[in-house]
Amino acid sequence: QKEVEQNSGPLSVPEGAIASLNCTYSDRGSQSFFWYRQYSGKSPELIMSIYSNGDKEDGRFTAQLNKASQYVSLLIRDSQPSDSATYLCAVDNYGQNFVFGPGTRLSVLP
Amino acid sequence: NAGVMQNPRHLVRRRGQEARLRCSPMKGHSHVYWYRQLPEEGLKFMVYLQKENIIDESGMPKERFSAEFPKEGPSILRIQQVVRGDSAAYFCASSPGEGTSVYNEQFFGPGTRLTVL
Repeated sequence: QKEVEQNSGPLSVPEGAIASLNCTYSDRGSQSFFWYRQYSGKSPELIMSIYSNGDKEDGRFTAQLNKASQYVSLLIRDSQPSDSATYLCAVDNYGQNFVFGPGTRLSVLP
Repeated sequence: NAGVMQNPRHLVRRRGQEARLRCSPMKGHSHVYWYRQLPEEGLKFMVYLQKENIIDESGMPKERFSAEFPKEGPSILRIQQVVRGDSAAYFCASSPGEGTSVYNEQFFGPGTRLTVL
């Protein structure tokens, strides 16, 4: 059974700081990784996908993947109060579905 | 609106009734996934469908739950004889499928909040 783990938080950072969100996964054969943001009472919103080792940047967001360590992270630069949400890490299950982590709740303090 | 559409957004049923949830995938997407999210819990996979085929239903309870994605029309998640424990948010997601570099990126609809009285 594939597992995806995240710290549940809450992770609190001051406005303008870098928020660092971490995720580990159990299946060494996993190939595709995704970060979603979910506001309370809303549906998950795709932030970024990453498929290769290294960094992938999109605006204020950077995803980092290390397949050898089975670790994927999301950095949010210049954090804003509007970034306060739950961040979900998802791992593709051989194209059949996603396995989601429990999510990390981020709170950006003004 | 080219996004994933779900209806109804809110559904209230009494115990023993049937709940029928509908999902229209994003334009150009041929793969549909259903997930359930219990209050204060994570997203759990239920079923993965392509047109007229169930590809993976390993996350769906074997009794009372069924899903379909007909050749024409939306995907339907059907829950028969609902119980209070079925109260949850049900999300549908769609992906493009093969032929693109981001074939497996899933985009979510707004969800259906099911309340069983």
